[in-house]
Amino acid sequence: GESVGLHLPTLSVQEGDNSIINCAYSNSASDYFIWYKQESGKGPQFIIDIRSNMDKRQGQRVTVLLNKTVKHLSLQIAATQPGDSAVYFCAEKNYGQNFVFGPGTRLSVLP
Amino acid sequence: ETGVTQTPRHLVMGMTNKKSLKCEQHLGHNAMYWYKQSAKKPLELMFVYNFKEQTENNSVPSRFSPECPNSSHLFLHLHTLQPEDSALYLCASSQGGQGAASGSKRYEQYFGPGTRLTVT
Repeated sequence: GESVGLHLPTLSVQEGDNSIINCAYSNSASDYFIWYKQESGKGPQFIIDIRSNMDKRQGQRVTVLLNKTVKHLSLQIAATQPGDSAVYFCAEKNYGQNFVFGPGTRLSVLP
Repeated sequence: ETGVTQTPRHLVMGMTNKKSLKCEQHLGHNAMYWYKQSAKKPLELMFVYNFKEQTENNSVPSRFSPECPNSSHLFLHLHTLQPEDSALYLCASSQGGQGAASGSKRYEQYFGPGTRLTVT
């Protein structure tokens, strides 16, 4: 069946460096993807999304890249800050309004 | 604040108890969701409601019973749970529906803070 998975369960970066969080998906028919950020004690928070007819989308300090050839999604965070420490999930729109979520990557920002 | 509130934030219950989780959204959305988040599995979709109608039941055991009296409120009734049901239960909402906002905004889900459930 479809699955969304993350290559790295944990990621530690120095403050100020760029972070790259990766995600692999298996359903080539998926047409929409979202990255969520979840801080301790809170629910997931929308960061950025991308449709399958795009390769790249930029937000404030964040960029999502989509490679449909290898079914790979990544989230790039520029100039990582302590407030970026959280668990990051990718989510793949399965059908209707239903999403399949990846297991998450914990990002730790080192001072 | 995301505009989605959940109560209680923490709940401890025995396997013979009956309790309910409540979710309320103040965003004017038409779709609401229940998710289960446990340490061992990715976020799992449980139920989806669109315009108060249940449109998805993701093979959830009958000891979980959802209720959606209106588009702003969603409940999850719990009875005779098992210890493995201990998890964080998250509610979310989205604009959803047909003819709603065009494009991807229709699918963007706003999550509440969750209820941490412990079954003893």
